[in-house]
Amino acid sequence: DADVTQTPRNRITKTGKRIMLECSQTKGHDRMYWYRQDPGLGLRLIYYSFDVKDINKGEISDGYSVSRQAQAKFSLSLESAIPNQTALYFCATSGPADTQYFGPGTRLTVL
Amino acid sequence: SQQGEEDPQALSIQEGENATMNCSYKTSINNLQWYRQNSGRGLVHLILIRSNEREKHSGRLRVTLDTSKKSSSLLITASRAADTASYFCATAPSGTYKYIFGTGTRLKVLA
Repeated sequence: DADVTQTPRNRITKTGKRIMLECSQTKGHDRMYWYRQDPGLGLRLIYYSFDVKDINKGEISDGYSVSRQAQAKFSLSLESAIPNQTALYFCATSGPADTQYFGPGTRLTVL
Repeated sequence: SQQGEEDPQALSIQEGENATMNCSYKTSINNLQWYRQNSGRGLVHLILIRSNEREKHSGRLRVTLDTSKKSSSLLITASRAADTASYFCATAPSGTYKYIFGTGTRLKVLA
């Protein structure tokens, strides 16, 4: 089984809808991250978390919110989706060695 | 602006040749990481080099780090068609986990 899983893998939604992307990990890592990737570009950090009580904004947090429900679960929400949030979203985890382990990604399309 | 910038943006070589890609960053860092991404998939960690290291090897990979120039290079020796992918560097300002990825180098290895 994959160490970092993301659901859904693909999602098409309409402008103004609320949507939640979920991430789970079995690596036992404390740190979890949410990134977005736009075509031909690198990843940009949205939020990151050290534990359930420690959540930090990344480079592009506006329009997004997160919830760390447990050490193993980190969810990303778009309260009112807009078309320029169409992107590939990745969750990642890291432990003491700082290496990040990525999920397979969620392809989100906002119409 | 992006902390990490890769150069070149794209690289096409013949199988068996070496591939070199470069990364520049802007702040002091604890470590620099290189990742590979196959078309639209999750990123896979390749190698991490700490700020007090100058060179590191892993199989056919060789990474150098020059903290005085705020730059790193990734060398892939004896490239294979399976090395075709995008390669990204990632850094975070010292004392933070606010990772920033570069825009990547798209490597194509021709069989």
